[in-house]
Amino acid sequence: EAEVAQSPRYKITEKSQAVAFWCDPISGHATLYWYRQILGQGPELLVQFQDESVVDDSQLPKDRFSAERLKGVDSTLKIQPAELGDSAMYLCASGLGDRGYNEQFFGPGTRLTVL
Amino acid sequence: SQQGEEDPQALSIQEGENATMNCSYKTSINNLQWYRQNSGRGLVHLILIRSNEREKHSGRLRVTLDTSKKSSSLLITASRAADTASYFCATDFSGGGADGLTFGKGTHLIIQP
Repeated sequence: EAEVAQSPRYKITEKSQAVAFWCDPISGHATLYWYRQILGQGPELLVQFQDESVVDDSQLPKDRFSAERLKGVDSTLKIQPAELGDSAMYLCASGLGDRGYNEQFFGPGTRLTVL
Repeated sequence: SQQGEEDPQALSIQEGENATMNCSYKTSINNLQWYRQNSGRGLVHLILIRSNEREKHSGRLRVTLDTSKKSSSLLITASRAADTASYFCATDFSGGGADGLTFGKGTHLIIQP
């Protein structure tokens, strides 16, 4: 069964360093989402792509976060510089982009710890 | 911001009993979805109910939606130990072209053998 791939699974970094997360969605899925989940909370949307275009990045802290999906397939989320409050699980999800039935398929996540 | 609010925050029941979780939201929606998350893992989609639907079933799951009250419930019948997880409701609100989901804080369900 096709799955969303994410790497790394775990990342420990010091504050002020740069980190990057990678996501490979399910083949054929036009829509890709990045969510951040703080321990004990539900996921919060950071950015949504439709193919290679950003559809919604209203919740992305653009002073330190960036995301790209250059060829409309895999995607990278970067944080520079990392802050202590960025410690969280970063989840990638993909979907077919059918507005009537927008079930999302999630990857295993990258757990980031900022020291 | 998190639109959905699940209730209760935590629930512990005996295996074989039914578990009911509730979700309330604030704005008009296209659909409401329920997801399950095992500890430290990604989320798994359980069921989607559209705004013009009132009830939906999938195996041991039953979801209801009351758009007048802006609320939904998830019923898991004949619970099993493997149902232990956190359950989140997520809404696709009807404004705008983006369809990223807004999640609640979740209900942590523990099934005791």
